[in-house]
Amino acid sequence: KQEVTQIPAALSVPEGENLVLNCSFTDSAIYNLQWFRQDPGKGLTSLLLIQSSQREQTSGRLNASLDKSSGRSTLYIAASQPGDSATYLCAVSSTDSWGKLQFGAGTQVVVTP
Amino acid sequence: EPEVTQTPSHQVTQMGQEVILRCVPISNHLYFYWYRQILGQKVEFLVSFYNNEISEKSEIFDDQFSVERPDGSNFTLKIRSTKLEDSAMYFCASQRDRGNEQYFGPGTRLTVT
Repeated sequence: KQEVTQIPAALSVPEGENLVLNCSFTDSAIYNLQWFRQDPGKGLTSLLLIQSSQREQTSGRLNASLDKSSGRSTLYIAASQPGDSATYLCAVSSTDSWGKLQFGAGTQVVVTP
Repeated sequence: EPEVTQTPSHQVTQMGQEVILRCVPISNHLYFYWYRQILGQKVEFLVSFYNNEISEKSEIFDDQFSVERPDGSNFTLKIRSTKLEDSAMYFCASQRDRGNEQYFGPGTRLTVT
């Protein structure tokens, strides 16, 4: 059974510092991995999707890496801003259940001015 | 930019009552999903839907739950007889094709009293 873990559960950084968010999963037979942002009481905003065959994906200040063999993905956010304050979720789908996303509990990020 | 919409944003109902949560997925998307998030817990998969039938459902999705795509635009989740433990945020998601990003709606907060 796939388990997705995100550590740390919460993180506070000063504005301008780079953010490093970690996601680990127990079953390496993933189809893809998706990173989301969730603001309090709101829906999920998709940030990046990494296919299982990819090692990295970039969008603006965001960069996500994937190491399937070690069961890890890392989301890097460069030069953080107060507007980056949110909860960041990672979710994986498996090769035998490609549509079903299994989520981690998230990392709550606060960027202080 | 196209987005997934959900109505209502908040629904309060009494235990034992039926509720219908509505979603309008992105128009050219083919795969549709419902997820839920109980307060303070992970987002969890309920059901996936493709070509007018359920592709996969979780253990949570018992006989009290049903989904329907009554026309070319709406996608609904019905809970026949609500229980206190059904109180959660319910998210609809849609996906253009297999392996693409899933796009989430803003959610419907269901409160069962």
